[in-house]
Amino acid sequence: EVQLVQSGAEVKKPGESLKISCKGSGYSFTSYWIGWVRQMPGKGLEWMGIIYPGDSDTRYSPSFQGQVTISADKSISTAYLQWSSLKASDTAMYYCARRPVTKDAFDIWGQGTMVTVSS
Amino acid sequence: SYVLTQPPSVSVAPGQTARITCGGNNIGSKSVHWYQQKPGQAPVLVVYDDSDRPSGIPERFSGSNSGNTATLTISRVEAGDEADYYCQVWDSSSDHYVFGTGTKVTVL
Repeated sequence: EVQLVQSGAEVKKPGESLKISCKGSGYSFTSYWIGWVRQMPGKGLEWMGIIYPGDSDTRYSPSFQGQVTISADKSISTAYLQWSSLKASDTAMYYCARRPVTKDAFDIWGQGTMVTVSS
Repeated sequence: SYVLTQPPSVSVAPGQTARITCGGNNIGSKSVHWYQQKPGQAPVLVVYDDSDRPSGIPERFSGSNSGNTATLTISRVEAGDEADYYCQVWDSSSDHYVFGTGTKVTVL
């Protein structure tokens, strides 16, 4: 079964760092892009960035460039989203999603990781 | 940056047809994808490349795209179709992915 499994919910304080993960299984992890999508409470979907684990080619939305870092470890089929200094406004659900090379749709989604930043 | 505009809400009676629009400048020249998101769940792809359905998605879900408007059509609406729906494109000029504003479908 093709799936993306994300790490569990996190509760952090402002200024702390965080790295969440997304592990792919059931397919060739290095042959598909992995995107990250933010959903703030009660709001819509926002594309943050995308990485091709095969060669680590990474693109960012201008809204998130410099605010987060996307990486991948192809040896363990895992993509990451990290923050160096969290803000309360980073409180949101974060989804990873797979994008085939031949399409620009996201065909498989992780279950989401809820990040809560509060003092 | 490229903007996709959707109506905030659409209401439909069971058995009727729901049409959800997605407006964007010359969107007909792009491939449009649609996602369904039920409360507390991750989004699910229901239509890709304007009108194709992933395996497992009922034929009741269909899509079209022309000019400045793409449309997701849900025929013979069921209570289980109540969800938020998002359109999405890849903007080649910026190499960015764009989601629509989202539409809440309510089944009366």
